[in-house]
Amino acid sequence: EVQLVESGGGLVQPGGSLRLSCAASGFTFSSYWMSWVRQAPGKGLEWVANIKQDGSEKYYVDSVKGRFTISRDNAKNSLYLQMNSLRAEDTAVYYCARNKRWQLSLDYWGQGTLVTVSS
Amino acid sequence: DIQMTQSPSSVSASVGDRVTITCRASQGISSWLAWYQQKPGKAPKLLIYAASSLQSGVPSRFSGSGSGTDFTLTISSLQPEDFATYYCQQANSLIFTFGPGTKVDIK
Repeated sequence: EVQLVESGGGLVQPGGSLRLSCAASGFTFSSYWMSWVRQAPGKGLEWVANIKQDGSEKYYVDSVKGRFTISRDNAKNSLYLQMNSLRAEDTAVYYCARNKRWQLSLDYWGQGTLVTVSS
Repeated sequence: DIQMTQSPSSVSASVGDRVTITCRASQGISSWLAWYQQKPGKAPKLLIYAASSLQSGVPSRFSGSGSGTDFTLTISSLQPEDFATYYCQQANSLIFTFGPGTKVDIK
């Protein structure tokens, strides 16, 4: 069974940093692109970033470029999102998701972890 | 950047109704369009990928169509468990964009 479990969320002050983790199991993690998607309270979904199987390609939504970094450790079956210079508008539930093979869609999602940016 | 719009933003329907949701891309995206269902407090669930392919385990009352800029999600006979918010999502050069969502609630 495919499982994605996020952790690392919490309350952080504006300008602060946080590192999210996503532990993957039930599939060959190193064979899949992976993504982060966020959802602000009461709002819609916003794709944040994705990363190729070997980490050699990464893409970001414009609003986080230069502040967030996606990475992975295939030996640990883990995906990460390093978030720096956090702003109030980054407050959201952050989901880890698996990119469906050969398709540009997301077939498995974690339960999400809440990040709150507030003083 | 490619922008996505959805219509309607909300729809009230009854069990057994046929429901159609439209998604439009600001430029052509071939068939790189997916549909998701999200219930309150839960993660989204993939329903349709590649515009018209049904994800494994998804009931056949869900169907998708379209290509280029205009796409449609149809629920042929609405069931109680289908009341949720539906999002379309496009991918262009591995940059994903979601539509604003359509909430389907009980009439």
